[in-house]
Amino acid sequence: QKEVEQNSGPLSVPEGAIASLNCTYSDRVSQSFFWYRQYSGKSPELIMSIYSNGDKEDGRFTAQLNKASQYVSLLIRDSQPSDSATYLCAVSPVNISSNTGKLIFGQGTTLQVKP
Amino acid sequence: GAVVSQHPSWVICKSGTSVKIECRSLDFQATTMFWYRQFPKQSLMLMATSNEGSKATYEQGVEKDKFLINHASLTLSTLTVTSAHPEDSSFYICSARPGTGNNSPLHFGNGTRLTVT
Repeated sequence: QKEVEQNSGPLSVPEGAIASLNCTYSDRVSQSFFWYRQYSGKSPELIMSIYSNGDKEDGRFTAQLNKASQYVSLLIRDSQPSDSATYLCAVSPVNISSNTGKLIFGQGTTLQVKP
Repeated sequence: GAVVSQHPSWVICKSGTSVKIECRSLDFQATTMFWYRQFPKQSLMLMATSNEGSKATYEQGVEKDKFLINHASLTLSTLTVTSAHPEDSSFYICSARPGTGNNSPLHFGNGTRLTVT
């Protein structure tokens, strides 16, 4: 089982719709969760971080975390063509002997927002 | 804030030669930096954790003698791909975070696209 799993997509939504991106993780004691956006040929840029159960909103973006289900999601409201990119879920695994702070990434979900 | 600069942004080299990639934290100090590699259509795979003043920690399957990491100062880590081969062609990205905690987000450099001919 992969440590962080995402559906690779592509996920296609019409402009103005809500895009829902999902991610599951295997390490039950993980504490830190992040969503990054990556445009083709570019490096990832941070969209959201979430650390506790529930929802966290930032503009058109809402991150949702459910630690019991080991599930984190990202909602994008009023999707725009400029949101078309690959969205990467990242988890910070907890190692009892040493927490190096590394992030483990899912394979990413490609989002296509059609005008 | 939290700007990570990477150089060069792209490089083409011949098979058998070595290539050095620099990663700098411009507005913060980083005792730890992380080197990732990304092949086309794939996710970021962690290669190694670079530790200032000590040896790097390599992920399973990554050859430490091939991918030399030096973290000589709190703002600079370098990755040298030695005796590069076409299969080393990839997008190499470094990352770091300000502060001493390990739970805040990583900030990424712009990446280096390596092509080995």
